This record gives sequence, structure tokens and C-alpha cells, in this order.
Amino acid sequence: ELKVEQNPLFLSMQEGKNYTIYCNYSTTSDRLYWYRQDPGKSLESLFVLLSNGAVKQEGRLMASLDTKARLSTLHITAAVHDLSATYFCAVDEPGNQFYFGTGTSLTVIP
Amino acid sequence: SAVISQKPSRDICQRGTSLTIQCQVDSQVTMMFWYRQQPGQSLTLIATANQGSEATYESGFVIDKFPISRPNLTFSTLTVSNMSPEDSSIYLCSVEEGDYNEQFFGPGTRLTVL
Repeated sequence: ELKVEQNPLFLSMQEGKNYTIYCNYSTTSDRLYWYRQDPGKSLESLFVLLSNGAVKQEGRLMASLDTKARLSTLHITAAVHDLSATYFCAVDEPGNQFYFGTGTSLTVIP
Repeated sequence: SAVISQKPSRDICQRGTSLTIQCQVDSQVTMMFWYRQQPGQSLTLIATANQGSEATYESGFVIDKFPISRPNLTFSTLTVSNMSPEDSSIYLCSVEEGDYNEQFFGPGTRLTVL
């Protein structure tokens, strides 16, 4: 059974600090997606990573993919309160089924 | 990306009743998906709904409990039947778009079963 694990599950960090969320998966998929979910809201697409070594950046968030290690990272630079949310990674299996990670609940403290 | 709406946005239902959730997309899409997100949990795929064919259900989900319709390329419904408190969740529909199989999600339906 395909597994997608994130760590940490919960992250509390101060504004201005840097941190990395890790997403490990057990499939050989070379596509990985990152989503953001605000409390009580739906999922918002952040990044699509399509190949080994892919790196995408948007504002204070940067995502990377290492398909050989079956690992993706979401790096947060100089966190601000607006980044508080739950972040999910997801991998794409043949047949277009998404498997979502466990989620990382991020709280940025002023 | 496609604009996706869901109805109702939330509901409180009694045990043993059924609720039908609607998902409307502003463009034609081949594949639509239904997910369940239990409180504080990740998303679990219930089924994939393709127009003109029976929905494909994931392990642990059955058609009798979660019947799905897909009458055209812009619309789908999910029914949660004979509800119990364990069905209290957020139900999300999504569509696949673009060259990279990216999925976009509707706003969700928050269901509480008493």
C-alpha cells in the first residue's frame, strides 16, 4: 500500500524563523503536489513538482523534489503569521489517483 | 483553473437519513473525484466519477453507502446514505485539469450527523 508521510505533524514557529516540512512517499511516482488548507476552507494548490530535482518557489515558500530518495521538502523562509495553515503533500499514481500525506499543521507565532 | 462549487456548504443531519451533495464545475472535465476529510485528518479518496460509466470506489467505500451520479461533464453528486455520527466529515469534490494531472478542489461540504 502506498504511504505518504509528512513530518512534523504539528509545527509552531516564531515569525522570522526558517523551517522545513518533509514529505516521504513509498511509490515510484515522479509527480508531487503541495497544497495549503486554511481552517474551515478547501485546499489551495501551491506547487506541482514534475521531475527529480525540481524546485519551485513562491514568496516565502520553496518546494523541492528528490525522486530517488522519494522525498519532497517545503521550506519556509522568514515565516509570517499569514503562513499559518495546514500543508499537505500528495503523490500521483497511475490511474490519476492522488494519495495525500498526513498533513502538517503550521502555526506562526508573532 | 476551473471554478468548482458545492451544495450544500454545510448541513446537520439526523442519524439514519441521507444527504446528497452536489458538485458543479464551470467547464467540462473528464474526471471528478470525491474525497472525505474526517476532523483533523488528511483526505481519503472515496471514488472517481467519470461521465458515462460507473464510479470507481476505493477500498472501504461501497456504492450502497456512497452512491455517485455523473450525468454530464460538469456535474456530479455524492449521496451519503443511512448516516451515522461516524460520517461527520468534510466532503470535497475535485477535478483534474491541465497537462500535469493537477487536482483542484471545491469549497467542501461540512457534514455533521447527530
